[in-house]
Amino acid sequence: QVQLKESGPGVVKPSGTLSLTCAVSDGSISTNNWWTWVRQSPVKGLEWIGEIYHTSSANYNPSLRSRVTLSVDTSKNQFSLRLLSVTAADTAVYFCARGGGHGTGWMDSWGQGRLVTVSS
Amino acid sequence: DIQMTQSPSSLSASVGDRVTLTCQASQDISNDLNWYQQNPGKAPKLLIYETSKLAAGVSSRFSGSGSGTHFTLTISSLRPEDFATYYCQQYDNPFYTFGPGTRLEIK
Repeated sequence: QVQLKESGPGVVKPSGTLSLTCAVSDGSISTNNWWTWVRQSPVKGLEWIGEIYHTSSANYNPSLRSRVTLSVDTSKNQFSLRLLSVTAADTAVYFCARGGGHGTGWMDSWGQGRLVTVSS
Repeated sequence: DIQMTQSPSSLSASVGDRVTLTCQASQDISNDLNWYQQNPGKAPKLLIYETSKLAAGVSSRFSGSGSGTHFTLTISSLRPEDFATYYCQQYDNPFYTFGPGTRLEIK
């Protein structure tokens, strides 16, 4: 079973940029899967951020599209999230996950999650 | 946006009970509905996809049904490890949304 693990700063200053990376192991990122970011907070619950294919094609949640960029590095078997101009509302546990083909919606392998707090 | 609602928000039950959780979509999503189980401090785990298909390694005590706007997740005989929070998720929309969850607690 493929393994995923998030990494990145646990604290980001307001108006700063949140950057996380998800390392994929025990499997290739260059498969017919969409690689996904989901976040979870007590206020908003589970929120889908977006997904990216190994070709770098990406889909985003419209509510975050103006601030989010997903990228993929097939040579390192990892994908990344950048979220600009963060506020306290972006404080959440961020998960990366493996999705099925676009439009299938399911996510069957998840990272452990990375708590990111927006605070000065 | 397609809004998802779940009921009840919490449920107390006993080991061995049969329980049914409900998920409702704000518009027709055909059968584009998944269910996840989440334990505290852990990532969600895929249980059911496409309304009624069991994910790999998931117990047959779990079953899903529904179509359109109304969906259910049934656990046939509760075991201690089933007490967790359950989320539905739609993928009919170009982007995906989750319900607020049902917390299943031991009575």
